Amino acid sequence: SYVMTQSPSESVAPGQTARIACSGDNLKGRSVHWYQQKPGQAPVLVVYDDDDRPSGIPERFSGSNSGNTATLTISGVEAGDEADYYCQVWDSGSGVHWLFGGGTKLTVL
Amino acid sequence: QVQLQESGPGLVKPSETLSLTCAVSGDSIIGSPHYWGCIRQAPGKGLEWIGSLYFGGDSYYNPSLRGRLTMAVDASKNEFSLRLTSVTAADTAVYYCARLNGYGRRIDYWGRGTLVTVSS
Repeated sequence: SYVMTQSPSESVAPGQTARIACSGDNLKGRSVHWYQQKPGQAPVLVVYDDDDRPSGIPERFSGSNSGNTATLTISGVEAGDEADYYCQVWDSGSGVHWLFGGGTKLTVL
Repeated sequence: QVQLQESGPGLVKPSETLSLTCAVSGDSIIGSPHYWGCIRQAPGKGLEWIGSLYFGGDSYYNPSLRGRLTMAVDASKNEFSLRLTSVTAADTAVYYCARLNGYGRRIDYWGRGTLVTVSS
């Protein structure tokens, strides 16, 4: 079955740029979506189809996907960006059709 | 604006059946090009997709739950439901109802979630 791997944690100082990676075999061949989840809240879609933003999501959030790695980039990080971030793809092969990475906890120092 | 509202039991005894209802507003399940489904999150753990359905079409269930999970639509109420049988402590989680975009396979609307605890 297809597997996506995320680093469990990342930390960044306010105002700096955070890069959260999601790795999987030939991930470039899939559309990657990213969700932000703050404690006690439901996830929120922040980037879809590799690099598109839903309405209402700040331009500070961007995405890319190349080779085996997709990256969520948060520019000018704010304290309110501290959250768990999950990547997700559609996988028709394994039966687990909506597949998530393990999540990365972003800490703003 | 699409909204989903979960209704669940809160507490279920081991070996019994978990029943969850998801009420949808702002979109109609009938004729929608989107999937409707559930994602759960065990305490302190990541997100796990458990099942989705498409009105008038296929249902998809996570293979790890196949045989215990059934999902259905009540079109008259614009709701869908989930039944998970023979629950164990491992099924303790926050259960989220969601709209899964039929075009891009992203999850574009989530309910607030409901905690279901399996305990005697």
